[in-house]
Amino acid sequence: GESVGLHLPTLSVQEGDNSIINCAYSNSASDYFIWYKQESGKGPQFIIDIRSNMDKRQGQRVTVLLNKTVKHLSLQIAATQPGDSAVYFCAETNTDKLIFGTGTRLQVFP
Amino acid sequence: DAGITQSPRHKVTETGTPVTLRCHQTENHRYMYWYRQDPGHGLRLIHYSYGVKDTDKGEVSDGYSVSRSKTEDFLLTLESATSSQTSVYFCAISDDRGKGFFGQGTRLTVV
Repeated sequence: GESVGLHLPTLSVQEGDNSIINCAYSNSASDYFIWYKQESGKGPQFIIDIRSNMDKRQGQRVTVLLNKTVKHLSLQIAATQPGDSAVYFCAETNTDKLIFGTGTRLQVFP
Repeated sequence: DAGITQSPRHKVTETGTPVTLRCHQTENHRYMYWYRQDPGHGLRLIHYSYGVKDTDKGEVSDGYSVSRSKTEDFLLTLESATSSQTSVYFCAISDDRGKGFFGQGTRLTVV
């Protein structure tokens, strides 16, 4: 697999705690948002998405919150596990093009 | 990885040479994308395709061209490789706009 050493903001959490990863998006016209997880040596993996007509969506252990007023997106991970350690990207679009943020590294400590 | 294969996985090439990266899918998805990933920049869109012979530019298309002659294949060509094109390249596919599934990536080094 491939990996890229990224100088990223890092969030460190203890195993079992909840994690909140934040993202500010740029285009007020964006109407679809996605969170991706990228583990070392792998391509990004889809986690959860949300459309602009919603402000919250829940998956298994993950919740995405959307605040269109301030153009802010967050990913909440409940009961964080060591396997959640990765780089997380938000992405936005209102066309065929998906535009990514720069990412946040999540480190989980035992 | 959702029936998506990138080749080669690693390549070292010399400045000024042409290079072609291949993305092959078995999902019959309409959309295919090429991204590059660099430290401090995240993933940046190079080109994308919304159907056979239908392509469009992304954020960082200069120095790159693409072709899609079949639904399953999307080729990325560096016309004359430069050191600034040293990067990890990812292909993604989607059956709807946005929700892309990514390949494993190709590490390209231009020396």
